[in-house]
Amino acid sequence: SQQGEEDPQALSIQEGENATMNCSYKTSINNLQWYRQNSGRGLVHLILIRSNEREKHSGRLRVTLDTSKKSSSLLITASRAADTASYFCATEGGSNYKLTFGKGTLLTVNP
Amino acid sequence: DAGVIQSPRHEVTEMGQEVTLRCKPISGHDYLFWYRQTMMRGLELLIYFNNNVPIDDSGMPEDRFSAKMPNASFSTLKIQPSEPRDSAVYFCASSLSGVSDTQYFGPGTRLTVL
Repeated sequence: SQQGEEDPQALSIQEGENATMNCSYKTSINNLQWYRQNSGRGLVHLILIRSNEREKHSGRLRVTLDTSKKSSSLLITASRAADTASYFCATEGGSNYKLTFGKGTLLTVNP
Repeated sequence: DAGVIQSPRHEVTEMGQEVTLRCKPISGHDYLFWYRQTMMRGLELLIYFNNNVPIDDSGMPEDRFSAKMPNASFSTLKIQPSEPRDSAVYFCASSLSGVSDTQYFGPGTRLTVL
């Protein structure tokens, strides 16, 4: 399965600190996406990184991709209480033309 | 745009009953996806449509599940008969031009089968 696995499963930090979440996957991919889910809500797309890219930025978000290690990381800088949510990586590639989601990392940012 | 609209938001039913979940995708989006989310299995793709045609239904768990998209602005996911293990949050999502494209999720339908 090419399903991504996020690490850690849960992360608790103080407001203002940086949060780093990791995603590992098993097979080759065309792209990897990160989504956020607030409690009781649908998922919201954050950022997409293609297999030929190594790093992307969007506001306070920084995503890296290492295809040789089959891993990605999501860094949220200067976290805020409003960043409290679950974060999912999703991969697409190989023989399965569909987006496959990991189980997510629950981030709690304490004010 | 109102985003992806799902109804109902909550559904409680008894085992054996028929359940119909509804979705209105974002206007102009060619792809529509149905997902199921549980604590145990995470987010699973059930089926997706391209231009109203089902493309991949390999994630549909059993014959009890069926999905239709009669037109570009409406889709249904039906479970008949429902079972307690079908209890989950069901999400509909749409994207403009493909599986790899940004997917926009609806708020979900929380289904409880007693």
